[in-house]
Amino acid sequence: GAVVSQHPSWVICKSGTSVKIECRSLDFQATTMFWYRQFPKQSLMLMATSNEGSKATYEQGVEKDKFLINHASLTLSTLTVTSAHPEDSSFYICSARDQRGMQFFGPGTRLTVL
Amino acid sequence: QQQVKQSPQSLIVQKGGISIINCAYENTAFDYFPWYQQFPGKGPALLIAIRPDVSEKKEGRFTISFNKSAKQFSLHIMDSQPGDSATYFCAARSPEGGGNKLTFGTGTQLKVEL
Repeated sequence: GAVVSQHPSWVICKSGTSVKIECRSLDFQATTMFWYRQFPKQSLMLMATSNEGSKATYEQGVEKDKFLINHASLTLSTLTVTSAHPEDSSFYICSARDQRGMQFFGPGTRLTVL
Repeated sequence: QQQVKQSPQSLIVQKGGISIINCAYENTAFDYFPWYQQFPGKGPALLIAIRPDVSEKKEGRFTISFNKSAKQFSLHIMDSQPGDSATYFCAARSPEGGGNKLTFGTGTQLKVEL
């Protein structure tokens, strides 16, 4: 089956620092990847859609300058949380869309900002 | 119109019983309806999915029933097991943007008791 990995699985950082999260499709090429945010006991909220080689499309209310997304290859997308603050603490999940249009999710990254 | 309403919010079922989770949508343009299973601290995993031209799909102990006229679909877990205890999300795919975006329900926490 299609496998999506994320790195790191968890990260703790100080307020004001930037954090980069990687999302990789391991056994398929993904022209489109997605970044979601999930708060405890809540649903997944789409932050942005990332297309290989082009700028990401952000959902309404998501600050593009704060959440920088780069999709440099067909197997890698990165999310950088810039100048992180405690309110950015959350579970960040990526997904990758295969050629059949199915989305496969990564295991998530737990970000804690102190 | 992009909402997907899911119920119940939580569910307790005895081992061997049937777990039923319901979802309803408004947007008739949705063209694909997957269900995801999520364990704590993990990313969602695709469980089973259905397209609107099919009324029922069964895979092992999991069945999706789809009622296009009522704009409702449900997940049935037969012979529920303690290992099924997890959060379940229904979702609906929108054809906008090339058929990429998933809208998630609010989630159902299932607990299967011995």
